Amino acid sequence: SQQGEEDPQALSIQEGENATMNCSYKTSINNLQWYRQNSGRGLVHLILIRSNEREKHSGRLRVTLDTSKKSSSLLITASRAADTASYFCATDYGNNRLAFGKGNQVVVIP
Amino acid sequence: DAGVIQSPRHEVTEMGQEVTLRCKPISGHDYLFWYRQTMMRGLELLIYFNNNVPIDDSGMPEDRFSAKMPNASFSTLKIQPSEPRDSAVYFCASSPYGRGATYEQYFGPGTRLTVT
Repeated sequence: SQQGEEDPQALSIQEGENATMNCSYKTSINNLQWYRQNSGRGLVHLILIRSNEREKHSGRLRVTLDTSKKSSSLLITASRAADTASYFCATDYGNNRLAFGKGNQVVVIP
Repeated sequence: DAGVIQSPRHEVTEMGQEVTLRCKPISGHDYLFWYRQTMMRGLELLIYFNNNVPIDDSGMPEDRFSAKMPNASFSTLKIQPSEPRDSAVYFCASSPYGRGATYEQYFGPGTRLTVT
């Protein structure tokens, strides 16, 4: 089934640095979401961006959407050790279900 | 609110046994989703309900899997008989009333199932 693909798959950064990850998708979407999953926990919704939006912010998170390139990016600024997690993009292709990517593993080193 | 509640958190069973996973969605949410997460296949949607009615069960792997939602505050996912390839983390999620199946979802902590 179609789903978002995150890139890079794994990222290791120092605390205080910015972390950027990307998600590509295959066809037109209604919206795209980012979720965080801490080890051993369920996914937590971070942010939703609609197809007619180009950028959204939430705290230290910034999400962009480029529908011409069929891609989205998630930027975490001033990373903290607590940001260590897997980050998933999820796309709404208009078939009444979300398609989740395989996830990015982000490790923030204190 | 306590969030989505799942039980048990861990389940270890032998091949051939029946397994029942339970979920209590957030009060007031009208969508309920069951997902399965594995390293190989990632997060897969198994089935979802709207107002207790199953809407899309196309992700249910085979007849060994069944799900019910007898009321707005309880759902079960049953596997009978279980097989080793069913080993995974199973998540229940719910979505706020009126938001639809493709807006923000609230996930439970998951049930880690191991079938030996």
